[in-house]
Formats: sequence, C-alpha cells, structure tokens
Amino acid sequence: DAGITQSPRHKVTETGTPVTLRCHQTENHRYMYWYRQDPGHGLRLIHYSYGVKDTDKGEVSDGYSVSRSKTEDFLLTLESATSSQTSVYFCATTGASGASSTDTQYFGPGTRLTVL
Amino acid sequence: GDSVTQMEGPVTLSEEAFLTINCTYTATGYPSLFWYVQYPGEGLQLLLKATKADDKGSNKGFEATYRKETTSFHLEKGSVQVSDSAVYFCALSDPNTGNQFYFGTGTSLTVIP
Repeated sequence: DAGITQSPRHKVTETGTPVTLRCHQTENHRYMYWYRQDPGHGLRLIHYSYGVKDTDKGEVSDGYSVSRSKTEDFLLTLESATSSQTSVYFCATTGASGASSTDTQYFGPGTRLTVL
Repeated sequence: GDSVTQMEGPVTLSEEAFLTINCTYTATGYPSLFWYVQYPGEGLQLLLKATKADDKGSNKGFEATYRKETTSFHLEKGSVQVSDSAVYFCALSDPNTGNQFYFGTGTSLTVIP
C-alpha cells in the first residue's frame, strides 16, 4: 500500500472558522486527490492536483481550496467552515507513472470533520 | 456524464453464502473498472480491477467481469466469511474525463456466523 497519512484524524470545529486538512505521501506519486464521503453519496471529488502548484476543481469544490507546494503534501482548506461540510475526508494518490485510466488510486485513512 | 450505479444495501448474509453486488456504469470512453473495499474506520482499499472488456478481476475469492455489452461489473464471491463484512464500492476511471474516478454510493455487507 502507498504510504499516505492524513492529519488530523478527527476534528471538531465551529461554523465560520477556517480549517486545514493535510495529506502526506511518501510514494512520490504525481497525482493527489481530495474526496468527501457522505451517506448516500459515496465519494465525491473536491479538488485534485496533477503536480506541484497544479490543481483543478472536482465535482464539489465550492467552499474549499487546495494547495500543493511539495510533491508529498496536499492541503485542503475550508476557508469558513459550515455545517454542510461535516463529513469524512479522504486523500488519495495515483501511481508515479502518471494518470492513466488503469492506475489504481490509493487512499489515506480519512479525517472525520464535524462542524458545529 | 460518467456515473456508477450499484445495488442498495445493506446486505446481510450468513457465512458461506453466495454474494453478488450489482454494479452498472455509464461512461463516454473506454473506462477501467474497480472494486474497492472499506473496513470500519479505514480508507478504501483496492479489491480488484479490470481494464478492458471481458477481463476478469479477482482477489481473495472475489471476482468481477467487465461486461461492455451490459455495461456491468458485478462483484461475486462463492462463500463469504465474517471477515468480509465491509462496505464495497464500485468505481470507474475514464480516459475521456482526465482519468477521474467516479464512485458508486457503496454497498454495506454484513456476514453473520
């Protein structure tokens, strides 16, 4: 399995506060992704990165921003958290060969975020 | 747009029963198809995959065949164990959409002794 860690693993915050989630990988994978998992919706793509400083929006990007200043780190920021952003957030990476439709995505353990 | 539809859960089976979880897909190109498994409190792990029509993916007794004519990728296992209790996700990756992944909503499986 790819070495993917996420921090924090659990966080409780209040509406209107900024929150940053971190994803760290040790596999030198080029592509990194942020998803949110909600009951009845499966996983939905928030943002992804195809290289350092190269990012793009996913299906549910409103209210989120990302940054990638190093290959190994991909940060997800909620500028002003809302209760609708209560969810479990997963980071994923795709292998070093670059994005091919046959590439497997490897997932981190997830961050459970609760916005009160 | 691309999408994946999988059978609603939860599914409850007795140990050694036969498992089928249905998955159908819609894609603009020729996608690769995947089954992922998620155990409680963990991230998703790849279970198996198939990259072209008529391929069969298999792992840990699970199998799925890529059926282009029916746009399906049903997951099967002949004899489930308690340790198979988890949530199963069908997914596709489509080269026509920048190889983004599209996931089904997940099917929860509970196997009782």
